[in-house]
Amino acid sequence: EVQLVESGGAVVQPGGSLRLSCAASGFTFDGYTMHWVRQAPGKGPEWVSLITWDGGSTSYAVSVKGRFTISRDNSKNSLYLQMNALTTGDTAMYYCARPVAGMNPHFEYWGQGTLVTVSS
Amino acid sequence: EIVLTQSPGTLSLSPGERATLSCRASQSVSSFYVAWYQQRLGQAPRLLIYGASSRATGIPDRFSGSGSGTDFTLTISRLEPEDFAVYFCQHYTRSPPTYTFGQGAKLEIK
Repeated sequence: EVQLVESGGAVVQPGGSLRLSCAASGFTFDGYTMHWVRQAPGKGPEWVSLITWDGGSTSYAVSVKGRFTISRDNSKNSLYLQMNALTTGDTAMYYCARPVAGMNPHFEYWGQGTLVTVSS
Repeated sequence: EIVLTQSPGTLSLSPGERATLSCRASQSVSSFYVAWYQQRLGQAPRLLIYGASSRATGIPDRFSGSGSGTDFTLTISRLEPEDFAVYFCQHYTRSPPTYTFGQGAKLEIK
């Protein structure tokens, strides 16, 4: 069974930093590009970032580029998101997500999410 | 930048009825890159349809997707109580990778 378990969410002050983790199991982790997707309270989901299977390529939403860094450790079946210079606009539930097997880019598996609240 | 507009914003129906949700793209898109998600209260989104019309693993056949160009539709043939939720359409653009979601449509019990 595919499982994605996020952790690391917290309440942090504006300008602060946070590192999120996602532990993956039940599939061949290094066979997939992985993603972070966030959802602010009462809003639709917003894609944040992706990293290819080997970590060789990353991509970011304009809203987080230059502040967030995605990484992975295939030996630990883990995905990470380092978030710096946080603003109140970054307050959201953060999900890690795995796409459908094959070439389709859509998100078939999601974790339960970890909540990040940016507030003074 | 492609914008996805969903309609109606809220749809009030009874169990057993048929639901039709619309997603309109601001420009013509490839149907291969259109998906639909369901989100129940307090849960993560769940992939229902990808490639505009392919059901994801484990999705009941009462859910179907269709459309091309700028207009896409999610149809639920006979509503079950667990189908009352929020639905999002989504589009992927290849270069640079961009994943755009619609604003959502709430399906509520009448």
